[in-house]
Amino acid sequence: GDSVTQTEGPVTVSESESLIINCTYSATSIAYPNLFWYVRYPGEGLQLLLKVITAGQKGSSRGFEATYNKETTSFHLQKASVQESDSAVYYCALGSNTGYQNFYFGKGTSLTVIP
Amino acid sequence: GGIITQTPKFLIGQEGQKLTLKCQQNFNHDTMYWYRQDSGKGLRLIYYSITENDLQKGDLSEGYDASREKKSSFSLTVTSAQKNEMAVFLCASSIGQGANSDYTFGSGTRLLVI
Repeated sequence: GDSVTQTEGPVTVSESESLIINCTYSATSIAYPNLFWYVRYPGEGLQLLLKVITAGQKGSSRGFEATYNKETTSFHLQKASVQESDSAVYYCALGSNTGYQNFYFGKGTSLTVIP
Repeated sequence: GGIITQTPKFLIGQEGQKLTLKCQQNFNHDTMYWYRQDSGKGLRLIYYSITENDLQKGDLSEGYDASREKKSSFSLTVTSAQKNEMAVFLCASSIGQGANSDYTFGSGTRLLVI
């Protein structure tokens, strides 16, 4: 089936350290998967962090990057140097640009950055 | 900028009760969605609507009804609350069609059934 698996949390890192949150997907019924990272900061709603709709491309936002790797079916989120303000829950999501129902979220990874 | 407002923020219901959650957006977005999030699980689509008076079932529609009487609002009804049910319901909207469009989410309604 179609699904997303991401790093189980919680994840704790120190400020200025590097971060990677793994995400792999299975898209058996989606011909052209689109991949997303959403983020929920404390007390706020879920918001789009970045998206990539073409395999091989990289998306970036707020210092975060993720590359759509079709060969390994992965879309890992990385940041070279995290800040305390990056503490949030991060969700990897898989979608299709041709239908509504094929939009799947991972379970979320809670990140805490220690100053 | 626009905003999506979900009411109530917290909802405590009793087993068997019919409960209604409301969502309003002022983006003038065409499409609206209701998702359910259970602890340790991802978001699962309950219902979506591509325009006023349109309703489409998601993977988790059983046990729910929805209503889109105006473009700006989308309500979700739990037809019979299940005892000990605990979940967060998220409303979202998008200007276009499909997951390729940027979704905007509300802050959620937290449901507890006693």
